[in-house]
Amino acid sequence: EVQLVQSGAEVKKPGESLKISCKGSRYTFTNYWIGWVRQMPGKGLEWMGIIYVADSDTRYSPSFQGHVTISADKSNSTAYLQWNNLKASDTAVYYCARQGDSQALDSWGQGTLVTVSS
Amino acid sequence: DVVVTQSPDSLAVSLGERASINCKSSQNILYSSNNKNYLAWYQQKPGQPPKLLISWASTRESGVPDRFSGSGAGTDFTLTISSLQAEDVAVYYCQQYYYIPRTFGQGTTVEIK
Repeated sequence: EVQLVQSGAEVKKPGESLKISCKGSRYTFTNYWIGWVRQMPGKGLEWMGIIYVADSDTRYSPSFQGHVTISADKSNSTAYLQWNNLKASDTAVYYCARQGDSQALDSWGQGTLVTVSS
Repeated sequence: DVVVTQSPDSLAVSLGERASINCKSSQNILYSSNNKNYLAWYQQKPGQPPKLLISWASTRESGVPDRFSGSGAGTDFTLTISSLQAEDVAVYYCQQYYYIPRTFGQGTTVEIK
């Protein structure tokens, strides 16, 4: 069974940097795209962007372009989501998910809660 | 961005009764070359990540009960739960994955009446 394990919850201050991770196992990590999805408290799902691990081809939602960076390390089967200047409005649960053969998001990580507060 | 709109925002259905959720895309998401609709349905229970139920508008994922079905084409789609069970209480999202960004609907909360 495909597994995506995300890094633990984080508490940060506005203006700080952060990088969260998503480690894949039990499948060939480099053969698939990994997407990131935001869920703000009590709200719906927002698609942030996606990366093809084999060549790091990355596509962003215009809503998140320039504010986050998506990357991947093939050798470690890990994808990352990074901020350089966190804002209180970044407080949310962030999910990574594999874009499967159907091109839908067929396997999800458990989520990483990011809290940004002064 | 393609706007995906679900209706209703919430619904309450008696156990064993049918529940239907509609999803409308602002753009056509049927790819004529393969005749596939790029539409997925997800189920999210409290405190859990979403779970893929249906891809290509009507293809159930392995292990998903057959009381869940998807239909529709082009811009209008429906998720139907034929006989609601207690474990189906959740928020359901549709998502188009034809265009970037791959937008989600706002979600529909399904409860027991």
